[in-house]
Amino acid sequence: ILNVEQSPQSLHVQEGDSTNFTCSFPSSNFYALHWYRWETAKSPEALFVMTLNGDEKKKGRISATLNTKEGYSYLYIKGSQPEDSATYLCAFLGGSQGNLIFGKGTKLSVKP
Amino acid sequence: DGGITQSPKYLFRKEGQNVTLSCEQNLNHDAMYWYRQDPGQGLRLIYYSQIVNDFQKGDIAEGYSVSREKKESFPLTVTSAQKNPTAFYLCASKPRDRGTYEQYFGPGTRLTVT
Repeated sequence: ILNVEQSPQSLHVQEGDSTNFTCSFPSSNFYALHWYRWETAKSPEALFVMTLNGDEKKKGRISATLNTKEGYSYLYIKGSQPEDSATYLCAFLGGSQGNLIFGKGTKLSVKP
Repeated sequence: DGGITQSPKYLFRKEGQNVTLSCEQNLNHDAMYWYRQDPGQGLRLIYYSQIVNDFQKGDIAEGYSVSREKKESFPLTVTSAQKNPTAFYLCASKPRDRGTYEQYFGPGTRLTVT
């Protein structure tokens, strides 16, 4: 059974703090790793789709890295803002014809 | 504007009744998906469809059925055979069934069965 683990489960930070979370996934048969942001009462939205070992992607204050050989990805948020409060989901795809396997998410709360 | 719509937002049913959840997209996407979310769990795949008139079971298909008669529509029926139907249901789509494409999600339907 393929397992995708995210840690921590939840995180409370102050506005301005930088933070990071981890997504662990199987290191074999890797095809892609997705990150989504899911704000309360909204639809999940894609942040990044990562495919290459060593890949780094950035969108504003949010960035992500990928290590397919050891099976982990980090999501970083620099200078957290209250609007960053959301659940961050990662999803692993093993093989081009497979389906996404989602982690349970990391719930981030940023206090003003 | 383009997107995915799910209706209704909240749905209440009595045990033993079938119920159909709507999912419509105007993004011209080929692939569509149904996920279920339960407290403390990741999204789990119920059914998916890569093309009109074709669909496959996901990891937790028992007690559910789908149809894909039109590209834009992928309704999910929760049957009375589903042992624990109360959950939050998300529909998603993407251009093709390839992992390098991100999925686009609807707002979800929260189903409560009593």
